[in-house]
Amino acid sequence: GQNIDQPTEMTATEGAIVQINCTYQTSGFNGLFWYQQHAGEAPTFLSYNVLDGLEEKGRFSSFLSRSKGYSYLLLKELQMKDSASYLCAVKAGGGNKLTFGTGTQLKVEL
Amino acid sequence: DTAVSQTPKYLVTQMGNDKSIKCEQNLGHDTMYWYKQDSKKFLKIMFSYNNKELIINETVPNRFSPKSPDKAHLNLHINSLELGDSAVYFCASSQGENYNSPLHFGNGTRLTVT
Repeated sequence: GQNIDQPTEMTATEGAIVQINCTYQTSGFNGLFWYQQHAGEAPTFLSYNVLDGLEEKGRFSSFLSRSKGYSYLLLKELQMKDSASYLCAVKAGGGNKLTFGTGTQLKVEL
Repeated sequence: DTAVSQTPKYLVTQMGNDKSIKCEQNLGHDTMYWYKQDSKKFLKIMFSYNNKELIINETVPNRFSPKSPDKAHLNLHINSLELGDSAVYFCASSQGENYNSPLHFGNGTRLTVT
């Protein structure tokens, strides 16, 4: 099976930088995804990492260390609209199964 | 619009009833999924179909039966609904053989069983 851990809640200030961590234990790793989910809406894709290192996409960056089973999502220049749940998900095993963590609820304050 | 669309958006029903949720995608993807998101917002996979063939079937009561008439459609039928079935059900699709293909989700069906 898979075990994916991320903090339940985080609070940050508008304009600041926040880092959301995710640790995982799995076999047959095929990549790690980050999704954003606003309340009452569908999850939307943010990033994908399969090799070690940092992937940058505008204000959002995602980092992966396969040897440590660790990833983080970095959000810069926070805006109020970034208040949402951020889901870490690992693709592994047969059938390319994507398993989600429990999500980190980020609250951006003035 | 290219998208994953599922109907209905809201479904309120009584225990013991049978209901269906429909899902269609026009993204040309070959793999479709059903996920269940409970009240704690935990998103858990239920089923996955690749080109109409069932490839993932998690530990789900057999009251839940998916049906894929073609690779663009994946419906979910639920028999003898129970209170614990209340949740948001998300349909999703992806290009299955590409590891980096993200899931595209529908807007969800909020099922409330009373």
